[in-house]
Amino acid sequence: QVQLVQSGAEVKKPGASVKVSCKASGYTFTSYDINWVRQATGQGLEWMGWMNPNSGNTGYAQKFQGRVTMTRNTSISTAYMELSSLRSEDTAVYYCATGSGNWFDPWGQGTLVTVSS
Amino acid sequence: SYELTQPPSVSVSPGQTASITCSGDKLGDKYACWYQQKPGQSPVLVIYQDSKRPSGIPERFSGSNSGNTATLTISGTQAMDEADYYCQAWDSGGVVFGGGTKLTVL
Repeated sequence: QVQLVQSGAEVKKPGASVKVSCKASGYTFTSYDINWVRQATGQGLEWMGWMNPNSGNTGYAQKFQGRVTMTRNTSISTAYMELSSLRSEDTAVYYCATGSGNWFDPWGQGTLVTVSS
Repeated sequence: SYELTQPPSVSVSPGQTASITCSGDKLGDKYACWYQQKPGQSPVLVIYQDSKRPSGIPERFSGSNSGNTATLTISGTQAMDEADYYCQAWDSGGVVFGGGTKLTVL
């Protein structure tokens, strides 16, 4: 079955960067876009951007432009999301998600990123 | 920027019908989908392309989208349906989520 498995929790200091991975299995990795969504504790879902694993093309939400980079390694079916210049407001669970259309199914299990001095 | 508005909370008695709305400018001209999220879990797609159910989603979940409002309807609501629900659509700027609705079954 289609599955996305993300890397483990991270603790970072303000100003640092974090790189979260998302390993896909159960389908052809290059067939569907990978999207990244984050959720602060007790808050709603916030879309960060998308990446086409085949071409490497990306599209980022305006809020994250200049701070986020989405990449991939097709040889190991893994997508990455790197967020730089971290601040306390970036503390959240970060999800990757895929899907064959304008919807996300399935989602990864989530990666907690804590930004604290 | 495009916005989707959901009621913060909806309550329903077991066995009754719950309706959760999602409002946005000319939302009916776009495709809407819905996710269910239980505490500590990742979101799960329950409706896509306005009214289609993914494999494994019970028939009691249905959706519609017209005008400025998309609606998720849960018929014969069960205790296990208590969760947060989010609507989602695509706009020129990318993906937009509603603020989420907490469904309480009591």
